[in-house]
Amino acid sequence: RKEVEQDPGPFNVPEGATVAFNCTYSNSASQSFFWYRQDCRKEPKLLMSVYSSGNEDGRFTAQLNRASQYISLLIRDSKLSDSATYLCVVNADSWGKLQFGAGTQVVVTP
Amino acid sequence: GAVVSQHPSWVICKSGTSVKIECRSLDFQATTMFWYRQFPKQSLMLMATSNEGSKATYEQGVEKDKFLINHASLTLSTLTVTSAHPEDSSFYICSARSLLNQPQHFGDGTRLSIL
Repeated sequence: RKEVEQDPGPFNVPEGATVAFNCTYSNSASQSFFWYRQDCRKEPKLLMSVYSSGNEDGRFTAQLNRASQYISLLIRDSKLSDSATYLCVVNADSWGKLQFGAGTQVVVTP
Repeated sequence: GAVVSQHPSWVICKSGTSVKIECRSLDFQATTMFWYRQFPKQSLMLMATSNEGSKATYEQGVEKDKFLINHASLTLSTLTVTSAHPEDSSFYICSARSLLNQPQHFGDGTRLSIL
């Protein structure tokens, strides 16, 4: 079983619509959670950290469910520029080692 | 924001060549740098963790004699792929962080193609 699992997608989303997807993690001791965005053939870029109480950054909302060991990302009012692969990232140990999901591809269409 | 520079961005070379990749933190001191490898449509796989001034810690299955890592200063880490072969062709990405609880910031990656 993978440490961090994501639905690979693609999620095809009309421009202006809302899309949400989850990520599950296996290490119950994980303390830090992040969403990164990766464009094709580019490096990952930090989208947002995920806090226990959930947090919002503009059109992006992240939630954490420790009991069920999943985190979610919701994108409202999707823009064409939101098309990318979204990586779920979990802190694996106290040394800050990160574990990456394989990513969820989102394609926003006009 | 935090900037990490990686160089070169693309390398094509013959089998048997050694390739050196540099990773620099431009506006912060990186106590820890990480080296990842990513194959197409797969997740980033951690190769090694490097703390400034000490030997790198390699993940299981990563040959330390093949992937030499040097982290001589708080702003520079290098990865040398020694005697590279076609199976080493991949996207190599470094990341850096200043403190333990801070997010990692990634370099823009090096696409390595071995012929």
